[in-house]
Amino acid sequence: DVKVTQSSRYLVKRTGEKVFLECVQDMDHENMFWYRQDPGLGLRLIYFSYDVKMKEKGDIPEGYSVSREKKERFSLILESASTNQTSMYLCASSFPAGGPPEKLFFGSGTQLSVL
Amino acid sequence: LAKTTQPISMDSYEGQEVNITCSHNNIATNDYITWYQQFPSQGPRFIIQGYKTKVTNEVASLFIPADRKSSTLSLPRVSLSDTAVYYCLVGDDNAGNMLTFGGGTRLMVKP
Repeated sequence: DVKVTQSSRYLVKRTGEKVFLECVQDMDHENMFWYRQDPGLGLRLIYFSYDVKMKEKGDIPEGYSVSREKKERFSLILESASTNQTSMYLCASSFPAGGPPEKLFFGSGTQLSVL
Repeated sequence: LAKTTQPISMDSYEGQEVNITCSHNNIATNDYITWYQQFPSQGPRFIIQGYKTKVTNEVASLFIPADRKSSTLSLPRVSLSDTAVYYCLVGDDNAGNMLTFGGGTRLMVKP
């Protein structure tokens, strides 16, 4: 089974701190994604990456950056955390299907609270 | 990007068949329809995907009419463990295209 592991299940940070959320997948997937999930808003795409050192902005990239130095690892960075970034963050990975949309495999999420 | 519309919530009872309909009036020729399931405190999980007519797997069936402007996820004989949020996504294999989740449908299965 594909395993997508997020480094922390719960995280509490202070306003203004720099925050790193780490995600590792073990299936050699090309694509990796970061979403945030808020009540009533569903999942919203922050950034995604289709190759090492490549990144693309999603729907809500403001206030975030990402890093993909190795194929299996995709990091989400909050340069200066703010209270409106309190949310559940979900990482996902996929392998290009070459036809139908690829299946996304998600981690269990990191609940981030910014105080 | 094809927008999807689903009911916000649905209730059902154990043993019943549940049908969740998703509207996608602007679906493009190359778009597929994909459904995910999300349990509390977990990430979404792929359930089923289809292009037209009917697709069935061990978990669910997906019915897609000829005009493809809607689709229906059918869960046979639900149990309490099927209580979850169900998301309908529409898109093609372009990684930057189909990766938008709407609000989903919150299904509550009662005893």
